[in-house]
Amino acid sequence: DQQVKQNSPSLSVQEGRISILNCDYTNSMFDYFLWYKKYPAEGPTFLISISSIKDKNEDGRFTVFLNKSAKHLSLHIVPSQPGDSAVYFCAARGLDSWGKLQFGAGTQVVVTP
Amino acid sequence: EAQVTQNPRYLITVTGKKLTVTCSQNMNHEYMSWYRQDPGLGLRQIYYSMNVEVTDKGDVPEGYKVSRKEKRNFPLILESPSPNQTSLYFCASSFSGAEAFFGQGTRLTVV
Repeated sequence: DQQVKQNSPSLSVQEGRISILNCDYTNSMFDYFLWYKKYPAEGPTFLISISSIKDKNEDGRFTVFLNKSAKHLSLHIVPSQPGDSAVYFCAARGLDSWGKLQFGAGTQVVVTP
Repeated sequence: EAQVTQNPRYLITVTGKKLTVTCSQNMNHEYMSWYRQDPGLGLRQIYYSMNVEVTDKGDVPEGYKVSRKEKRNFPLILESPSPNQTSLYFCASSFSGAEAFFGQGTRLTVV
C-alpha cells in the first residue's frame, strides 16, 4: 500500500508561471517531508524539506507547504524555468524510523517557452 | 567532490546467476539505502542501514541481501535474480536518513 501519493503523473506549465505539485500521505506518524528532483539518466537530488512542526518552508524559487490536518503537502515553483523540467518526487519519513523513506510515484513537469 | 558511486551502471544477466551491485560514498554518512525505480511506482526502498553492521528492511526486500561491513560501502546482492527484478536501482547516503545523496543508478536487466 502506497502511503505517499502523487496523483498527477504530469504537469505542463509555461515559463515564468507558477508550478504547483501536490502530494498526499496516509501515515500520521510521518514527521518529515522532502521533495526530490530527477533528470533523466541521473540520480534524484534533494530539493527542499519541511518538518511537521512547520507549515511552510521557502528556498529561493521553491516553497513547500504542509497541511497536517489534510495530510497534504505541495511544492510551488515560482517562476518556472525550462531547467525545472524534470520528475519531482515527494517523500516522507516516520518519527519512529529515521532510515526509512517512502516516496510517491513522481510528477513529470514540463516547462514550455 | 562529495559523491555516491555505484557500479556497474548497466548490467544484463540471466535468471539465477548471482550478482552484486557495489555502492560507495565518500561523505562519512551513517545512513545508506538502496531503492528501485519502476514506472508508475516511483522509488521503493529495498534495504537501509543506520551504521556499520546495522541494516533493516525497506518496503521491497524480498530477493535482495545487503551488508554494511564498512561505513563507506553498502553492496546490494541478488543471490538468484529473476526477471521481476529488472529495474533501475539507486544507492543513497545521508547524515540523517532524509536529505540523501543518490548515485547515478544501475540499470539491471534479468533475462
